[in-house]
Amino acid sequence: NAGVTQTPKFQVLKTGQSMTLQCAQDMNHEYMSWYRQDPGMGLRLIHYSVGAGITDQGEVPNGYNVSRSTTEDFPLRLLSAAPSQTSVYFCASRTLPGQGANTEAFFGQGTRLTVV
Amino acid sequence: GNSVTQMEGPVTLSEEAFLTINCTYTATGYPSLFWYVQYPGEGLQLLLKATKADDKGSNKGFEATYRKETTSFHLEKGSVQVSDSAVYFCALTNTDKLIFGTGTRLQVFP
Repeated sequence: NAGVTQTPKFQVLKTGQSMTLQCAQDMNHEYMSWYRQDPGMGLRLIHYSVGAGITDQGEVPNGYNVSRSTTEDFPLRLLSAAPSQTSVYFCASRTLPGQGANTEAFFGQGTRLTVV
Repeated sequence: GNSVTQMEGPVTLSEEAFLTINCTYTATGYPSLFWYVQYPGEGLQLLLKATKADDKGSNKGFEATYRKETTSFHLEKGSVQVSDSAVYFCALTNTDKLIFGTGTRLQVFP
């Protein structure tokens, strides 16, 4: 039972480089989301998706793109990395509320990104 | 909009002490409330939850009661252990978004 799998676990980028953080879940959850965690600021929502082909912006979307071509995968793209994007990134998935199902969110192990 | 406010940490306790971490929320309607825990180097995992007013969530000796009249969901444990040292996040959802507080670091010393 893999749950939510994030790769890579660690990454160092130079300013201006691009990369994709991968996230996959095997629980058939409709809802997937990306958060960044910074000291003193908790988890802030970057982008989320309520199903394949549907994405929306969260609290801090600037500098990030997402797509949801399948139920299982929800990659996060940094097109031109900046030092302000140094953070720990978490992917999460869950069933949607209001469907009589458990709305617990399951998290990946995180990706620690440093932009120099 | 929806928001969660947690007490700032770190909270430093000796083993077997009583723990309270305060959490209050602002939300429309009837949100579900959660406590998540993050151990060092790991992702978040659900500790307990409550889905309606007066519900009490409990797990691993931790408890929290959904108080609609005071819009609170305070986390308590009667006797903490060194292994409880972690960051604790209060969260809510009443839409498709899960909103987190800033987290409270708990440090328990022998």
